[in-house]
Amino acid sequence: GENVEQHPSTLSVQEGDSAVIKCTYSDSASNYFPWYKQELGKGPQLIIDIRSNVGEKKDQRIAVTLNKTAKHFSLHITETQPEDSAVYFCAASKAGSARQLTFGSGTQLTVLP
Amino acid sequence: DTEVTQTPKHLVMGMTNKKSLKCEQHMGHRAMYWYKQKAKKPPELMFVYSYEKLSINESVPSRFSPECPNSSLLNLHLHALQPEDSALYLCASSRFDGDYGYTFGSGTRLTVV
Repeated sequence: GENVEQHPSTLSVQEGDSAVIKCTYSDSASNYFPWYKQELGKGPQLIIDIRSNVGEKKDQRIAVTLNKTAKHFSLHITETQPEDSAVYFCAASKAGSARQLTFGSGTQLTVLP
Repeated sequence: DTEVTQTPKHLVMGMTNKKSLKCEQHMGHRAMYWYKQKAKKPPELMFVYSYEKLSINESVPSRFSPECPNSSLLNLHLHALQPEDSALYLCASSRFDGDYGYTFGSGTRLTVV
């Protein structure tokens, strides 16, 4: 089955700096890569996603890049703010198969004021 | 309405109790999911309902019994739980099973004493 590795497990940055979280996946058939943000006491919230036919996607301060050859994808957050502090999960799946949504282990991001 | 609503937010139950968790969405989604999340871990899939029918049971013990009375409502009936079942139980929905995007609820924090 699919295996998703996520690094780092914890990340502290100064407010205004950039943060990068990296994930690798094992199944070359995976074609959908969402990122979820989970704040304390809340459920995961989809913040950005990318499909395998796209190499990069950006939404304001958040961007995701995908390297299909190397089987890795990354989340980039620029101009970080204290409200970006949360746990971030990457995931990988094959379209048409909800069961195959495999999560990474999570990254605790702390933005220091 | 773009939310998945879960009740109760917190639940403490004894090992001999019977309780139920409730999940509701009014987005017209026809796939609904139960996930279990332990502290500092990613969500783990438990059950998938597609068009009100159970389509996936990830080898969950029978003390967890899901029910989907209609397309907007998903229940999880709990009976004779163990302390290790204490976790955050998350409900999610999507337009259909295998759709790209999931919407998660905020979860029910369950403590078994």
